[in-house]
Amino acid sequence: DQQVKQNSPSLSVQEGRISILNCDYTNSMFDYFLWYKKYPAEGPTFLISISSIKDKNEDGRFTVFLNKSAKHLSLHIVPSQPGDSAVYFCAASALVSGNTPLVFGKGTRLSVIA
Amino acid sequence: NAGVTQTPKFRILKIGQSMTLQCTQDMNHNYMYWYRQDPGMGLKLIYYSVGAGITDKGEVPNGYNVSRSTTEDFPLRLELAAPSQTSVYFCASSYSRVGEKLFFGSGTQLSVL
Repeated sequence: DQQVKQNSPSLSVQEGRISILNCDYTNSMFDYFLWYKKYPAEGPTFLISISSIKDKNEDGRFTVFLNKSAKHLSLHIVPSQPGDSAVYFCAASALVSGNTPLVFGKGTRLSVIA
Repeated sequence: NAGVTQTPKFRILKIGQSMTLQCTQDMNHNYMYWYRQDPGMGLKLIYYSVGAGITDKGEVPNGYNVSRSTTEDFPLRLELAAPSQTSVYFCASSYSRVGEKLFFGSGTQLSVL
C-alpha cells in the first residue's frame, strides 16, 4: 500500500508560468516532507522540505505548501524555466515521532516548454 | 568534496551471477541507505545502516545483503542475480538521524539477462 502518492505521472507547463506538483500521503505519523528533483542518469537532489509544524516554506522560485488535515502537499515553481524539466519526487518520514527512513512517491515528470 | 560515490555506473549480469555494488561517502555521515528505482516507480528502500556494524532491512530486502564495516563504505551484495533485480540502484547518506534529508549518489544501472 502506497503511503506517498503522486497521482500525476507527468505535467507540461509553458515557460514563465506556474508549475504545481501535488502529493498525498496516508500515514498520519509523517511529520517531515521533502521534494527531490532528478535529471536523467543522475541521482535525486534535494530541493526543499517542510516540517509538520509549518504550512508553507519558500526558497526562491520554489514554495512547498502543507495541508495536514487533507494529508496533502504541493510544490509550486514560479516562474517555470526550461531547466526545471525533470522528475520530481515527493518524500516523507516520521522524523520526530518515529525515526523512519524516507518513503518516496512514484514521481511526476515536469516538462517546461519554451 | 565528492559526496556519495557509487561504482560501477553500469553493469550487465547473467542470471545466477553475483556482484557487489560499491558505495562510499566522504561527508562523515553516520547513516547510509540503498534504494532501487524501477521504471515508473518511486524509490524503494532495500537496506539501511545507522552506523558501522549495524544494518536493518527496508521494504524490499530479499535477494540482497549488506555490510557496514566502516563509516565511509556501505556495499550492496547480490548473490544470485535474477531478472527482477534489473533496476537503477541509488546509495544515499544522511548526517544525524534516519528520516532526514538524504544525499544521493549518481546511481548504478543494473541489467540481469
